[in-house]
Amino acid sequence: QVQLQESGPGLVKPSETLSLTCTVSGGSISNYYWSWIRQSPEKRLEWIGYIHYSGSTNCNPSLKSRVTISVDQSKNQVSLKLKSVTAADTALYYCAREAPLGYWDYMDVWGKGTTVTVSS
Amino acid sequence: EIVLTQSPATLSLSLGEKATLYCRASQSVSNYLAWYQQKPGQAPRLLIYDASNRATGIPARFSGNGSGTDFTLSISSLEPEDIAVYYCQQRSNWRTFGQGTKVEIK
Repeated sequence: QVQLQESGPGLVKPSETLSLTCTVSGGSISNYYWSWIRQSPEKRLEWIGYIHYSGSTNCNPSLKSRVTISVDQSKNQVSLKLKSVTAADTALYYCAREAPLGYWDYMDVWGKGTTVTVSS
Repeated sequence: EIVLTQSPATLSLSLGEKATLYCRASQSVSNYLAWYQQKPGQAPRLLIYDASNRATGIPARFSGNGSGTDFTLSISSLEPEDIAVYYCQQRSNWRTFGQGTKVEIK
């Protein structure tokens, strides 16, 4: 059974770069898209971006200038970097697998999430 | 960006009652819509994809309907374990989520 585990610093200073890793266990990173999603303290869900195992990426236009998503197939890991963070980036960050269930891919496996607070 | 608007914000029902949740898109998403269930302290769980297909392991009391801009998620008979927040998500243009509907026991 595939499991996802997000990890990274829980506290980031304003203007610095948030760095998170999603480790995939119980299955391969190959043949899937992997998305990052965040949930604000108000419980709003926002898609950040995805990466295909081959390395192609796409991001939410509202965050695109600050986001870098990468994949390390040898480690079965996907990483997220969000630069120039502000308090508005404080959220619970999830990674999720997108599986080809229907006409498109949908998020069928999620990690438990990791909380990131932006504060000095 | 396609905006998804869910209603009502909160749905208060008795156990055994039928629940109907609504999701309206700001422009057509065809049937490329999913529903997720999120319980307190847990990650969202995929319930429905392509508007009407149940994901693996989802009970038959959950059903989805709709196409274009108007969608519904129905729970035929509310069980205690169905108390959660439900989100719709479109897959037609990038990905966006609705703001959620909280289902609670009256």
